[in-house]
Amino acid sequence: DAKTTQPPSMDCAEGRAANLPCNHSTISGNEYVYWYRQIHSQGPQYIIHGLKNNETNEMASLIITEDRKSSTLILPHATLRDTAVYYCIVRVAGGAGSYQLTFGKGTKLSVIP
Amino acid sequence: GAGVSQTPSNKVTEKGKYVELRCDPISGHTALYWYRQSLGQGPEFLIYFQGTGAADDSGLPNDRFFAVRPEGSVSTLKIQRTERGDSAVYLCASSLGLGTDTQYFGPGTRLTVL
Repeated sequence: DAKTTQPPSMDCAEGRAANLPCNHSTISGNEYVYWYRQIHSQGPQYIIHGLKNNETNEMASLIITEDRKSSTLILPHATLRDTAVYYCIVRVAGGAGSYQLTFGKGTKLSVIP
Repeated sequence: GAGVSQTPSNKVTEKGKYVELRCDPISGHTALYWYRQSLGQGPEFLIYFQGTGAADDSGLPNDRFFAVRPEGSVSTLKIQRTERGDSAVYLCASSLGLGTDTQYFGPGTRLTVL
């Protein structure tokens, strides 16, 4: 079973920041938070991941709460090309059965012109 | 550089037939994963390889599904006696190693069983 909870859909105006929430209240101390997205008819694309510190890269920022029970993916200036399904995934670092990604249903983000 | 490639992009077959789906990982990536995605759902894990060996095949739904990676690079997912319920997009991913290494996905093969 997926260990994360995400809203099924969100809208965002083009050019504005998109803030996608994820709850992972049962996360363990050795589990990372990963974000992938899937644009229609393509394979999932890695965005960012983190353990407990906030992370930023060229695509997005990841904000993890201090208790690590939730996180927010931020796309600072959403474009129409960011319309996709966004998946929040928790993943153990190492150990048997930990290497695969367990996807939920994700959040369908629609960027509106 | 080249990403993960999968062939064919689309495969239509009849119930009961045998199919093979191919995955070419990123050069140098030792880990390779197969996932299956049904309409409206997220991808589901099937099997992964570290080198030539299947390290975890716990996601394969039954013994009609089998995958190989004989030389530690290209992998083939084989489905015997296909059923209509096997219709899905089959995704392949590769990573440099295991652990928390990022998985890079191919575009998938859409399998339709009539």
